Amino acid sequence: AAGVIQSPRHLIKEKRETATLKCYPIPRHDTVYWYQQGPGQDPQFLISFYEKMQSDKGSIPDRFSAQQFSDYHSELNMSSLELGDSALYFCASRGMGPGANVLTFGAGSRLTVL
Amino acid sequence: GEDVEQSLFLSVREGDSSVINCTYTDSSSTYLYWYKQEPGAGLQLLTYIFSNMDMKQDQRLTVLLNKKDKHLSLRIADTQTGDSAIYFCAESINRGSTLGRLYFGRGTQLTVWP
Repeated sequence: AAGVIQSPRHLIKEKRETATLKCYPIPRHDTVYWYQQGPGQDPQFLISFYEKMQSDKGSIPDRFSAQQFSDYHSELNMSSLELGDSALYFCASRGMGPGANVLTFGAGSRLTVL
Repeated sequence: GEDVEQSLFLSVREGDSSVINCTYTDSSSTYLYWYKQEPGAGLQLLTYIFSNMDMKQDQRLTVLLNKKDKHLSLRIADTQTGDSAIYFCAESINRGSTLGRLYFGRGTQLTVWP
C-alpha cells in the first residue's frame, strides 16, 4: 500500500541558510500535518492543512512557512536556519471515511544545521 | 494545555509481557493511540482506541483505557527483541480547528533482553 513519502530523507545546512522539505500524502488523503521531533523529544505539532487551506497551527516559528498544493502535496519552508532547528521533521496524512481518525506518518526528513 | 505523561524506560526479558503506561489530562480526548519508533525511523501506528471503549485487543497487543483515571496502557504479550523501540502514547482531541491534531507523550524506551 502507498505510504506517506517525504523528501529529502537527510539534509545538511548551515546557519542562516534555507531548507525546503516535501511531503506527498497517501493518495486521496486531503489533510497533511507537520511535526518536529528534536533529539530525545516527543513530536511537536507545527501546522496542518485541509483541502489546501491551513487548518491548524501549533508551535511553528515565524521563520517557517508551509503550504499545500493542488495535488495535495505539502512543502515546509524554513529560513534563517538556527542550530536548534536540527531535528527530525515528520509529515502525516489523514483521509476521510473509516480511516479518518488515523494519522499515517512518513519516515521523516532529518535536518542537521551546522 | 494537553499533557501526556509516560515513564521513560522499561526493560523486560524476552518472552515476558511488557506493560507501558500513559496518563493524559484532557477529558475531551476522543481517540488515544500507540505509536512505535525504531532508531532513526518514522512513527508506526500500532493500535488506537476510541474513548468510549475500555479495552482493545489486536494479536499480541492489548490496550486498556481507564477514562475515569485518564490512564492508558499497552500490554505486549510474549515480548521479542524486535519489540525494542520507543513507544509513544498520543491523544487526539477533536475540538473545532484542532480536529485530528495529536499530542504525544515523551515516549517509553522499551529494551528487551534475550
